[in-house]
Amino acid sequence: KQEVTQIPAALSVPEGENLVLNCSFTDSAIYNLQWFRQDPGKGLTSLLLIQSSQREQTSGRLNASLDKSSGRSTLYIAASQPGDSATYLCAATNTGTASKLTFGTGTRLQVTL
Amino acid sequence: NAGVTQTPKFQVLKTGQSMTLQCAQDMNHEYMSWYRQDPGMGLRLIHYSVGAGITDQGEVPNGYNVSRSTTEDFPLRLLSAAPSQTSVYFCASSRSSSSGANVLTFGAGSRLTVL
Repeated sequence: KQEVTQIPAALSVPEGENLVLNCSFTDSAIYNLQWFRQDPGKGLTSLLLIQSSQREQTSGRLNASLDKSSGRSTLYIAASQPGDSATYLCAATNTGTASKLTFGTGTRLQVTL
Repeated sequence: NAGVTQTPKFQVLKTGQSMTLQCAQDMNHEYMSWYRQDPGMGLRLIHYSVGAGITDQGEVPNGYNVSRSTTEDFPLRLLSAAPSQTSVYFCASSRSSSSGANVLTFGAGSRLTVL
């Protein structure tokens, strides 16, 4: 059974700092890995999706990497802003499981002025 | 384009009561699913559907029923609510059920409290 872990559970950084969020998974037979953002009281917004054949994906100040062999993915946020404050979740889809995602518990990010 | 719409946003039930959480999407998505989110547990899949007339169980299906009579709607039914079903419920959809096209669009969530 796939298990997804995100450490730390919470992170506070000053505005402008570059930061890395970590995601680890136990079963390397993944089809893809997604990163989501969740604002308080809101649903999830998909940020980046990395296929198993890819090493990384970029969108604006966000860069997500995938290393299947080590069971790890990272989300890099450049030049953080207060508007980046949210909970970030990663989710893995295993091969042959259609669109069934296994989620981590998330990292709550606060970017301070 | 409304995306994924969930109703109600908030609901309080007594133990043993029944209710239906509604989910509707207007994107002609083939795949729809229900997750619950609990503190410290992440999101867990309850039921999913790969198309009208087809449903299947996820990780935590007990106590919940679903049906998919149309492409647009995927209601989640609690037949006899229990305090353990207190949670935030999310409906999500995607264009295709194949793993390569499963960028999910989520609804805003329904917060359910069972007393």
